[in-house]
Parts: sequence; structure tokens; C-alpha cells
Amino acid sequence: GAVVSQHPSWVICKSGTSVKIECRSLDFQATTMFWYRQFPKQSLMLMATSNEGSKATYEQGVEKDKFLINHASLTLSTLTVTSAHPEDSSFYICSARVGGWSPLHFGNGTRLTVT
Amino acid sequence: GQQVMQIPQYQHVQEGEDFTTYCNSSTTLSNIQWYKQRPGGHPVFLIQLVKSGEVKKQKRLTFQFGEAKKNSSLHITATQTTDVGTYFCAGQDQAGTALIFGKGTTLSVSS
Repeated sequence: GAVVSQHPSWVICKSGTSVKIECRSLDFQATTMFWYRQFPKQSLMLMATSNEGSKATYEQGVEKDKFLINHASLTLSTLTVTSAHPEDSSFYICSARVGGWSPLHFGNGTRLTVT
Repeated sequence: GQQVMQIPQYQHVQEGEDFTTYCNSSTTLSNIQWYKQRPGGHPVFLIQLVKSGEVKKQKRLTFQFGEAKKNSSLHITATQTTDVGTYFCAGQDQAGTALIFGKGTTLSVSS
């Protein structure tokens, strides 16, 4: 149980375009989902906490107008990278948990390359 | 803000040797979790420690949570090539908000 599906697995886009990444909890409801970013051989950096039915909470230094998060239902959160630039190229991973104190279940991640 | 430090950053061992990674938080934690990420993959949950001084074992892996609930360690006995990957600790604060990950320890094993 507790499966998180993330789509797409990888995407290549041109500079200036926008990319949407979907994160779904397949067999449980997730009122909260988390978006992380990971650079090669580095740790996971929390970008934002996605709350169903309300605005996301962004970590310091993360541009909320650039990384749009929508959590429209209990099983779906989306991250849209707007006006992407090459420096936005990274590995983006979403995660969710069943309860507030339970472990995170991660999606497979999305490797974004902006050319 | 809360910080989670993890050492070493890299560790190379010969197959059969032991391995330990250490995690230290700047604040008291409600719980600490350990994840493993294989190259090219996503983090996979290993274990969660909640109680002060708690010790848990999973086959060759031993996890400890410090008495002050600020530090933790993962020890692997007699490493195997299948243990290769990056091990992350992640601390959750008393408020139960998001997990903060350490930088991870990347383990390589040669046979």
C-alpha cells in the first residue's frame, strides 16, 4: 500500500516554456504532499508543502510564482515550473504520507532538462 | 531553522566490512527516519525511530536514536554489494511538520 505515482518521469523543454508535473497518491488520501528538488549527488531540498484545498507553503528562497503548486484533490498535487530556465534543470520528487507522523512515500521523480 | 547534519558524505568499503553513518540535528526531534536511494532511483523508507534511546534492527542494519533525540546512527554489518546507495536520515520536529533531510552518505562497496 501507500503508492505515490509521479508523471512524467522525465521531460525536456525549451527555455521559456512551462512544465507541469503530477503527483498522485494511488491507494490513500493525502491532505498534505511535499515537493523536493534534488541536484546530482546532493540531498533532497524541500521546496514546498502542498495542502489540499489551500495555498502551498513555500520554503525560504523558493519562488512561489515560478513553482506553482496546486492541490485540488486529496489524491493529486501538481507542480508547474513556469518560464523554465536551464538552471531549473533538476530532479523533482514528490512525496506524501498517510498521517502526520508517518513516513514519506516518494514518487519516482521527474528529471527536468531545460535547453 | 532546523538543520540536520550527516557524516560522512562518502564512504567506500570492501565487501564484508562494516559501515556507519551518523546524523545530528540542531533541535530535538519528534522522530527520525532513514531512507535509502539507489543510483537513479527515488528514496525508499527504511525505518522510523520515535523513542529516546531506541534501537532497531533489520537483518544487518542497526538503527539508533540518541537519548536526547537529537542524533541517530545507521550501522551496517558485513556490507554487501547490494547495500550500495545513498542513505539519508530525515528529522521531523516536535510540531510534526515536514521532514528535513540530511545531506546523505553515499556508500560504495567493492567485492
